[in-house]
Amino acid sequence: GESVGLHLPTLSVQEGDNSIINCAYSNSASDYFIWYKQESGKGPQFIIDIRSNMDKRQGQRVTVLLNKTVKHLSLQIAATQPGDSAVYFCAEGGTSYGKLTFGQGTILTVHP
Amino acid sequence: NAGVTQTPKFRVLKTGQSMTLLCAQDMNHEYMYWYRQDPGMGLRLIHYSVGEGTTAKGEVPDGYNVSRLKKQNFLLGLESAAPSQTSVYFCASSYVGSRSNNIREQFFGPGTRLTVL
Repeated sequence: GESVGLHLPTLSVQEGDNSIINCAYSNSASDYFIWYKQESGKGPQFIIDIRSNMDKRQGQRVTVLLNKTVKHLSLQIAATQPGDSAVYFCAEGGTSYGKLTFGQGTILTVHP
Repeated sequence: NAGVTQTPKFRVLKTGQSMTLLCAQDMNHEYMYWYRQDPGMGLRLIHYSVGEGTTAKGEVPDGYNVSRLKKQNFLLGLESAAPSQTSVYFCASSYVGSRSNNIREQFFGPGTRLTVL
């Protein structure tokens, strides 16, 4: 079936650097995309979302970019902090009953 | 509001035993979902419910049953546990109506770590 995948399973950065986490998706019918953050031992937590008719959306220290031509999604985190260390998932949805399809996740490690 | 809660947090079962995982939400959400998360993988949808008294199969439903007798609760049952069901289970819920941008964010519980020996 359709699925969402990630290019890089791990990302290691220094505190203060900018981080970019990538995601490839395959379902062109997806209506929206969501980035989730999952800290160790916790459930996923919403970060930011973007509709399929947009190409960029900004939040606090985070920006999501959507390139529908190549079916690519990215999450940019500015001035990365140790508290940003977590697993980040992209998910696509909108096709049926709010169901989401998740990618495998990227582990972000921020070194002080 | 407590949001989405799950019980128990941890459980160890022997092969063939049965158990029920409870999910509760206090946000008056219509939609609820059960996922499993295995190492190195994203979340996979087991079953979901679009309202009280309704359930539907997700991506990996085999070996699981669910019930939604009350709007706020969604139960996940394992009738005869197998080692392949060792996983972390997450429950989530979402609105029926869309937000201003028509995106249905899912709110997740803290998870249940299940080990089947």
